[in-house]
Amino acid sequence: AQKITQTQPGMFVQEKEAVTLDCTYDTSDQSYGLFWYKQPSSGEMIFLIYQGSYDEQNATEGRYSLNFQKARKSANLVISASQLGDSAMYFCAMRHSGAGSYQLTFGKGTKLSVIP
Amino acid sequence: DAGVTQSPTHLIKTRGQQVTLRCSPKSGHDTVSWYQQALGQGPQFIFQYYEEEERQRGNFPDRFSGHQFPNYSSELNVNALLLGDSALYLCASSSQQAGGLKQYFGPGTRLTVT
Repeated sequence: AQKITQTQPGMFVQEKEAVTLDCTYDTSDQSYGLFWYKQPSSGEMIFLIYQGSYDEQNATEGRYSLNFQKARKSANLVISASQLGDSAMYFCAMRHSGAGSYQLTFGKGTKLSVIP
Repeated sequence: DAGVTQSPTHLIKTRGQQVTLRCSPKSGHDTVSWYQQALGQGPQFIFQYYEEEERQRGNFPDRFSGHQFPNYSSELNVNALLLGDSALYLCASSSQQAGGLKQYFGPGTRLTVT
């Protein structure tokens, strides 16, 4: 069974500083995908970044980068130059990429608060 | 370009009642997934619809059922509501042609069962 663990219920970061949100995963599959979503208080889940298990380079999307360490089964999200609008819940999720599997398995999330 | 839309935004129901939630996918998307998010938890996969059929189902009882229409919109039905069904229900759409990896979520429907 797939499992996502986010050990930081809450994090604080100073505006303009970088922050790392932790995510570890458990799977016996060789092929899988890892995602990070942002959920503001409005409720909508916003896609941030994706990393495939066979991707050799760490994914980057603007101020977001994913620190993928396959051997350690970790997929940490790094947000550079934090902004006040980054305050939200952040969820790590995994999808098994084998045929017939389409669901995302989510962690419990980390609440990020950006301090001015 | 309209994103994923859901209706209604909020809903209050009584135990034992039935509820129908609606979702319109992002333009060009043909696949709809439904998730339940309890307070303080991450979303949990309920099921996914593609070509008007349920393609995969998560660990939810048969009280949860769905439908996908020819225009790709979808409904989630929950029968015999329980207090524990109170949650944010999220709909996500994706495109099979684009690989189906990236799921776009709607704003959700917040269901309260009293």
